[in-house]
Amino acid sequence: NAGVMQNPRHLVRRRGQEARLRCSPMKGHSHVYWYRQLPEEGLKFMVYLQKENIIDESGMPKERFSAEFPKEGPSILRIQQVVRGDSAAYFCASSPRGGPYNEQFFGPGTRLTVL
Amino acid sequence: DQQVKQNSPSLSVQEGRISILNCDYTNSMFDYFLWYKKYPAEGPTFLISISSIKDKNEDGRFTVFLNKSAKHLSLHIVPSQPGDSAVYFCAASALEYGNKLVFGAGTILRVKS
Repeated sequence: NAGVMQNPRHLVRRRGQEARLRCSPMKGHSHVYWYRQLPEEGLKFMVYLQKENIIDESGMPKERFSAEFPKEGPSILRIQQVVRGDSAAYFCASSPRGGPYNEQFFGPGTRLTVL
Repeated sequence: DQQVKQNSPSLSVQEGRISILNCDYTNSMFDYFLWYKKYPAEGPTFLISISSIKDKNEDGRFTVFLNKSAKHLSLHIVPSQPGDSAVYFCAASALEYGNKLVFGAGTILRVKS
């Protein structure tokens, strides 16, 4: 029973390029969450998606960031025109049900480095 | 705006002794709390949770205590083992905030053998 999968595990981009981070939830999970962890900090919520719908994007920066979870395929977090401040670990999590009283299962993360 | 605080950046404990990790929160709307453990270069792994209707939840060597009046929770690990060495994150959620988890900054636990 595979866990949450994220790829790539490491991504290096130059300023101004685009970064695409992919997340495949656990089998049977239709709820996906993205979090960002800056150095020396805890994880910060970015966005919550169900299949084909963005449910809560209150933690997403207003510009350059977007997320999707299509009917088929993984969830994608897209960062356009990356800047050095985007360097962080990005974690995806999934859960079988919605609601605040469920544990979320995390993937290994994608470490983005912007040169 | 740190709604969930873990004021001890690190903790060192001898193998076999008790580890106590603390977490404070400021938002009284939080009614569900979770502890995650994280090894370097891995994602957080769920350990244990507690609902605000309880004051204690136990799972093997791990026990979480919740003091709602003090807005404080703690994770007890007994006996501590070297494999417990990791970063421990406290997280909170609330019905009003949907599905998002609000995390503390983490506490690094080192268990010495």
